[in-house]
Amino acid sequence: NAGVTQTPKFQVLKTGQSMTLQCAQDMNHNSMYWYRQDPGMGLRLIYYSASEGTTDKGEVPNGYNVSRLNKREFSLRLESAAPSQTSVYFCASKAGGSTDTQYFGPGTRLTVL
Amino acid sequence: GNSVTQMEGPVTLSEEAFLTINCTYTATGYPSLFWYVQYPGEGLQLLLKATKADDKGSNKGFEATYRKETTSFHLEKGSVQVSDSAVYFCALSDPYTGRRALTFGSGTRLQVQP
Repeated sequence: NAGVTQTPKFQVLKTGQSMTLQCAQDMNHNSMYWYRQDPGMGLRLIYYSASEGTTDKGEVPNGYNVSRLNKREFSLRLESAAPSQTSVYFCASKAGGSTDTQYFGPGTRLTVL
Repeated sequence: GNSVTQMEGPVTLSEEAFLTINCTYTATGYPSLFWYVQYPGEGLQLLLKATKADDKGSNKGFEATYRKETTSFHLEKGSVQVSDSAVYFCALSDPYTGRRALTFGSGTRLQVQP
């Protein structure tokens, strides 16, 4: 099992460019999440998908959109990148219950110039 | 809303020293509590968890006890190794919010010197 995979690992964008971060899990999990990690701030939730076909905003959704393509895949799109979106992005998945463990991908390091 | 507060880092220790990283939380319900570890250049891995009051989570020599009366979940290890150098995150999952996402503390960097 690969667990949670993310692509790309690194990306540099210019202000105003768009891109999609891909995430896939092979654990048959219902819930998937996108977080961003900034120095001294821990991880903050951008969007989540409690189950296939549903998505909802987290704490910091502005400037992002998501698609739950199927049970395995959950993508994050930046339509017009801004320097404030420079961060490390983590995808995670969980079976479903609040006591369940979230499993994280290796992260995407994004720099917006 | 929910929040998690961790002690500021970095924490620098010599090998075989005793480790404590403090974590306190605020939650509306009865959350599950987690410690995650992030090694350099990697994603987060679950270190241990506790799902109800007085539960003790343990793994790889690390321990933490869910203390409802003090709303705390402090991480301890009796004898740290250089390989324990990493960033440690305390987190909670509140069953009363539909998203069941994790609320994280800001992380504590641990540096263990030989």
